[in-house]
Amino acid sequence: DAGVIQSPRHEVTEMGQEVTLRCKPISGHNSLFWYRQTMMRGLELLIYFNNNVPIDDSGMPEDRFSAKMPNASFSTLKIQPSEPRDSAVYFCASTLNLYEQYFGPGTRLTVT
Amino acid sequence: EDQVTQSPEALRLQEGESSSLNCSYTVSGLRGLFWYRQDPGKGPEFLFTLYSAGEEKEKERLKATLTKKESFLHITAPKPEDSATYLCAVQGYPHQGGSEKLVFGKGTKLTVNP
Repeated sequence: DAGVIQSPRHEVTEMGQEVTLRCKPISGHNSLFWYRQTMMRGLELLIYFNNNVPIDDSGMPEDRFSAKMPNASFSTLKIQPSEPRDSAVYFCASTLNLYEQYFGPGTRLTVT
Repeated sequence: EDQVTQSPEALRLQEGESSSLNCSYTVSGLRGLFWYRQDPGKGPEFLFTLYSAGEEKEKERLKATLTKKESFLHITAPKPEDSATYLCAVQGYPHQGGSEKLVFGKGTKLTVNP
């Protein structure tokens, strides 16, 4: 099993630019989660999907953040426009029936 | 609101020196308590799920235990390769006032010196 796949692994962009992070969950898993990790706040849930439907987006910090899951094998997290305070590591995780989650390697985002 | 507090924030051990990490939690109806290991530059790696008080699970030098208020991750005779950040998370039942989302603690950074 390839595990959860995320791309890109590293992203450096300038303030105001659009950033799109991508995730491919483990095949057969029916729930997908987007997290953000920083030293100050630890691991925070941004949004999660169940069977491709967004269930809880209360962790999305602002309207600048949006997420989609057009099918069971792909999800995107978009930040538009990006700001320096968005710099963090973004993780995608997937699970079957909301039990143990399996995380991807993360995308390290730096906004200058 | 579900909460998780991990202690200590950081722990340094000598190789072979056993110790325990603590995870205190409050949750409305515990569905599961999860332990993860995270190495620098990587995503959290799943270790254990505990479902009810009194349950224990083991994997190599690690043993996780659970009570109604806290969980311990016991590390027996650790080796340098056990150095990592260990994360604890809880999941509740929505119909009992909890949340099916995982709520993570800030983690314990373990360093094992040779």
